[in-house]
Amino acid sequence: GESVGLHLPTLSVQEGDNSIINCAYSNSASDYFIWYKQESGKGPQFIIDIRSNMDKRQGQRVTVLLNKTVKHLSLQIAATQPGDSAVYFCAENSLTGNQFYFGTGTSLTVIP
Amino acid sequence: GAGVSQSPRYKVAKRGQDVALRCDPISGHVSLFWYQQALGQGPEFLTYFQNEAQLDKSGLPSDRFFAERPEGSVSTLKIQRTQQEDSAVYLCASSLNGPLRVEQYFGPGTRLTVT
Repeated sequence: GESVGLHLPTLSVQEGDNSIINCAYSNSASDYFIWYKQESGKGPQFIIDIRSNMDKRQGQRVTVLLNKTVKHLSLQIAATQPGDSAVYFCAENSLTGNQFYFGTGTSLTVIP
Repeated sequence: GAGVSQSPRYKVAKRGQDVALRCDPISGHVSLFWYQQALGQGPEFLTYFQNEAQLDKSGLPSDRFFAERPEGSVSTLKIQRTQQEDSAVYLCASSLNGPLRVEQYFGPGTRLTVT
């Protein structure tokens, strides 16, 4: 994918609003996807996953949507809180691969 | 602790020095991964172990990079003759089984700065 370098896509939301973070993937063979949250100085933390036989999965305050037709993944965070401020990455994996491919990431800032 | 740990957390090396980065995976986790994360970018795969066997090293950027996991638990990533472009955060992750369709648990990373 295209490298954004230091210029991460950014999203600013008011506390209590819903957030939607998008991710496009390129490998049509990818069939397992994970959203990670990474806070400054920490490693990525698992949020939610989805397999390609599903188009929606819900967790606590989070929902992941998968559109295989256009190879698009989104993460919806309900009632966003200041603690949600972080960089969010989507990662994809295919049945035949040993590795996860990470997207560039989106920096979410929640305004109190 | 119960999570993945890495040491050191920060390492400054002069260009040309060798460095060794350590990863302690979650006890009982079969699979171990190393990633390199440049500033402002997502992690990029370096190598993968299943127990002590290095099954995939396709992401290692050069022959200066070497990883081992001799007893199937602790792993060391070694970088010889460090270059400035090696400056990055090196992340280790482990998972209970294979790499497919399972959650990987990440450590906090080692931030390497080559001067």
